[in-house]
Amino acid sequence: DTGVSQDPRHKITKRGQNVTFRCDPISEHNRLYWYRQTLGQGPEFLTYFQNEAQLEKSRLLSDRFSAERPKGSFSTLEIQRTEQGDSAMYLCASRPVTEAFFGQGTRLTVV
Amino acid sequence: GIQVEQSPPDLILQEGANSTLRCNFSDSVNNLQWFHQNPWGQLINLFYIPSGTKQNGRLSATTVATERYSLLYISSSQTTDSGVYFCAVRNSNSGYALNFGKGTSLLVTP
Repeated sequence: DTGVSQDPRHKITKRGQNVTFRCDPISEHNRLYWYRQTLGQGPEFLTYFQNEAQLEKSRLLSDRFSAERPKGSFSTLEIQRTEQGDSAMYLCASRPVTEAFFGQGTRLTVV
Repeated sequence: GIQVEQSPPDLILQEGANSTLRCNFSDSVNNLQWFHQNPWGQLINLFYIPSGTKQNGRLSATTVATERYSLLYISSSQTTDSGVYFCAVRNSNSGYALNFGKGTSLLVTP
């Protein structure tokens, strides 16, 4: 399967700990998104990369959140000092020009 | 940013019935996608359809860009069609983000 891959699939962490998620996009896709989805809501945009450049960040992306995409390949999303409100599904998507494809997501639970 | 409204929010169908899901958006779009979110949370691509009509098996979609809406038709529904259906749109004024609606939650009963 050469779809978008996310790791881990599930993460349980204690409040105050740091967590990092990884996304491997479809290989020929140079555009990459991170989204967050809470129960009963649609996905909310967090940030966008084109190659290695982070071109857009949502106001939802507080200073505890940081995303990188070194060399324009895989991407990481780090959350520092996690809070209970960070509990959500974190989704990664990639696209060539038009159609975006999503990974299976990382479900984060902060206890 | 661009606003996306989906209706109905919830829908219960008996297997074999047909349905129409609607997506209204507040501005012109150059990108519109329909997704099905399965019970495990994965978003499955259904259609990329910024304008026009497409069909794929029992599913079809129509986007009337000038009137700012899109419709997703499900015919002869099956229990495996259950899940949440999302519409997501983008235009050059809204930056790079795909903006999602709140979805339509569909339950197909045997």
